[in-house]
Amino acid sequence: GEDVEQSLFLSVREGDSSVINCTYTDSSSTYLYWYKQEPGAGLQLLTYIFSNMDMKQDQRLTVLLNKKDKHLSLRIADTQTGDSAIYFCAESPQAGTALIFGKGTTLSVSS
Amino acid sequence: DTEVTQTPKHLVMGMTNKKSLKCEQHMGHRAMYWYKQKAKKPPELMFVYSYEKLSINESVPSRFSPECPNSSLLNLHLHALQPEDSALYLCASSSPRLGSTDTQYFGPGTRLTVL
Repeated sequence: GEDVEQSLFLSVREGDSSVINCTYTDSSSTYLYWYKQEPGAGLQLLTYIFSNMDMKQDQRLTVLLNKKDKHLSLRIADTQTGDSAIYFCAESPQAGTALIFGKGTTLSVSS
Repeated sequence: DTEVTQTPKHLVMGMTNKKSLKCEQHMGHRAMYWYKQKAKKPPELMFVYSYEKLSINESVPSRFSPECPNSSLLNLHLHALQPEDSALYLCASSSPRLGSTDTQYFGPGTRLTVL
């Protein structure tokens, strides 16, 4: 069945790079997403990658996709305390249906 | 503009009350979603409206009643809720056309507490 796995916690120091990893199972997913959720807030779309790409860069964010291993990662360069949040990886097997979310990775940034 | 708005931000209600959650988007999206999110968990899909018609109901109890009055608005009517229904209710919208990303954009959510 469909499943998205993420590690639950990541702790880094301010200024370091953060790498959040995700594995997914549905190879038919056309797009894969990263969402950020700060405490008490909704989900903010950070970035997405089309399944025929292997890398996408957007300012401090770099997404790497290994389609063969069904592995997705999000790298945040120069991590700041404002990056502390829960990060959800999600896949979209079919348009107009549920996003399949991972359990979320809590990123804690210390100064 | 990728904004989805939700009102109210917070809602406290008793088990005998009737209340409604509202969601609005002006991005021209034709799919709108309700998700329920418990603390420290990912969102879980409740309903999907596509072109103002209910296309998915994930076996949600009838005490939750969705309504889509037009393509920009989505309501969730609540009646006789239970304390375990306390959660963050998130609305999202997307544009599910062939060849498009169908990216779902989320609102800030309504924090619901049922006493």
